[in-house]
Amino acid sequence: DAGVTQTPRHEVAEKGQTIILKCEPVSGHNDLFWYRQTKIQGLELLSYFRSKSLMEDGGAFKDRFKAEMLNSSFSTLKIQPTEPKDSAVYLCASSLGDNTLYFGEGSRLIVV
Amino acid sequence: GEQVEQLPSILRVQERSSASINCTYENSASNYFPWYKQEPGENPKLIIDIRSNMERKQIQGLIVLLDKKAKRFSLHITDTQPADSAMYFCAAPMNTGGLSGKLTFGEGTQVTVIS
Repeated sequence: DAGVTQTPRHEVAEKGQTIILKCEPVSGHNDLFWYRQTKIQGLELLSYFRSKSLMEDGGAFKDRFKAEMLNSSFSTLKIQPTEPKDSAVYLCASSLGDNTLYFGEGSRLIVV
Repeated sequence: GEQVEQLPSILRVQERSSASINCTYENSASNYFPWYKQEPGENPKLIIDIRSNMERKQIQGLIVLLDKKAKRFSLHITDTQPADSAMYFCAAPMNTGGLSGKLTFGEGTQVTVIS
């Protein structure tokens, strides 16, 4: 049974570029989350979808971060334009809606 | 939203001793408290959780205690082994009741078990 799949695993971008991170949730999961993980801030919620509907979109992350879920098995997180402070691990997680999150392996982004 | 404070941020223990991590939360309506373990280069994985209708839960060498009055919950790793070395995160639901599945995470505790 496939877990959460994220691509790419590693990405190096120049400041100002647009990057798109991808996530496939566990089959049958209704909830999908994008988190950003850094040593200083820990795990921060970026976006939350329930049954493909965007329930929460970022607060402080709104201006350059856009998450989409075009179908129940695929989500993207677009960062445009990237800045060096966006360097982090971006974790996608899915859930049946019972509070148990299954995380993907993450996409490590470095912006230079 | 919920705020979760986690201490300590770093914990070094001798093999076979116990390790304890404490978390506090703000929202008295929060009803679900999971703990995630993240090994280097890996994704966080759920290891144990407790709901607000319980005060204590144990899975093998992991014990979780919940004190709703004090809005505090803790993880105790008994008989620690080198394989327990990892980052541990506590979490609580972001909104009232916790039905959405959104979690606020503590800042993490880096546990190192010394042989």
